Amino acid sequence: EPEVTQTPSHQVTQMGQEVILRCVPISNHLYFYWYRQILGQKVEFLVSFYNNEISEKSEIFDDQFSVERPDGSNFTLKIRSTKLEDSAMYFCASSSGVDYGYTFGSGTRLTVV
Amino acid sequence: GQNIDQPTEMTATEGAIVQINCTYQTSGFNGLFWYQQHAGEAPTFLSYNVLDGLEEKGRFSSFLSRSKGYSYLLLKELQMKDSASYLCATGRAAGNKLTFGGGTRVLVKP
Repeated sequence: EPEVTQTPSHQVTQMGQEVILRCVPISNHLYFYWYRQILGQKVEFLVSFYNNEISEKSEIFDDQFSVERPDGSNFTLKIRSTKLEDSAMYFCASSSGVDYGYTFGSGTRLTVV
Repeated sequence: GQNIDQPTEMTATEGAIVQINCTYQTSGFNGLFWYQQHAGEAPTFLSYNVLDGLEEKGRFSSFLSRSKGYSYLLLKELQMKDSASYLCATGRAAGNKLTFGGGTRVLVKP
């Protein structure tokens, strides 16, 4: 079964550092997303990406965040200057847009110290 | 705005049935999703309902009433491995974002 792959699985970074989280969506999917889940809290939408541009973003997705699809397979989330409150599990997801099926990656646990 | 409510926690016995309710008030609602999430793992898709009524998939069934803003997930013949959080989520259209509720943690006891 096709998978969404995320790397790294864990990342520890110092406050103020930049991090890049990487994702390889399912190859024939057209919509890509980032969600985050702070420990013990609900899954929150960050941003959706379609046709090489952001289609929607939440209030959380401020100027510190950016997304990129640098080639035909990777989809990245960059946090420019990390804060303690950015510590969370970050999930990438993709969908075909034809039906409602969403596939989530296994997540990157980001810890900011 | 989006508001999705589901109970925080439920406990049930192995072999029993559990029903997890979800109420929602969302703008532009189109579909209701249920996901299972084990601790520290990604959500995995269980079901979605676009039309009113019951959708059955093996041991799991999901029901939707659009007029009442209400859904439930029914888990039958509970197994220990069903201990997980169950997330209710709404979507506006195919390709759009999902909005999640806080999840219901189900503990299955022997």
